[in-house]
Amino acid sequence: ETGVTQTPRHLVMGMTNKKSLKCEQHLGHNAMYWYKQSAKKPLELMFVYSLEERVENNSVPSRFSPECPNSSHLFLHLHTLQPEDSALYLCASSPGTSVETQYFGPGTRLLVL
Amino acid sequence: TQLLEQSPQFLSIQEGENLTVYCNSSSVFSSLQWYRQEPGEGPVLLVTVVTGGEVKKLKRLTFQFGDARKDSSLHITAAQPGDTGLYLCAGVRGTSYDKVIFGPGTSLSVIP
Repeated sequence: ETGVTQTPRHLVMGMTNKKSLKCEQHLGHNAMYWYKQSAKKPLELMFVYSLEERVENNSVPSRFSPECPNSSHLFLHLHTLQPEDSALYLCASSPGTSVETQYFGPGTRLLVL
Repeated sequence: TQLLEQSPQFLSIQEGENLTVYCNSSSVFSSLQWYRQEPGEGPVLLVTVVTGGEVKKLKRLTFQFGDARKDSSLHITAAQPGDTGLYLCAGVRGTSYDKVIFGPGTSLSVIP
């Protein structure tokens, strides 16, 4: 059972486009995350938000811009991406930021042309 | 540098067979998590092992944490098509999610 939804599920964009990924969690959790999953590579943690405040930014390029307007919603704004940014972008939430059960959404499959 | 290695990378077996996948590192972890990710879905946590040498069973799945807390294995008995997916291990080095390192995964396909 997953209480984390992501839209869109698939996205194709050009390098000059601006798009946004949306994540919503219905679990009452206080922490939300963005991960990047590329083929044959480990999951990469991009951003961590706790109670709507960003607590982690793992040296992510500025062409990725997160936004957390409230504890249930998380956005990832995309601008002038590169083809190597093509990947599955996963959103996750957890009750807090301490290591415990983390619930993932189904992901957005992004292709940058 | 990949801190967590998983083997094999791909595995295709017949229904009913047994299999073991491995997760190895040169680093010591305070705990280790295993996830399964089905096609088109996000990872789902299966188990967390905490103590060196610990063995946990989840129906037909047996998880073991190495004595030195550097490696782990997942054994599946009598695999079923529903076991198909990407199995990810994640080593935990602290108490927050920025201290979690994921492996690249083992892609398992169970053929009916």
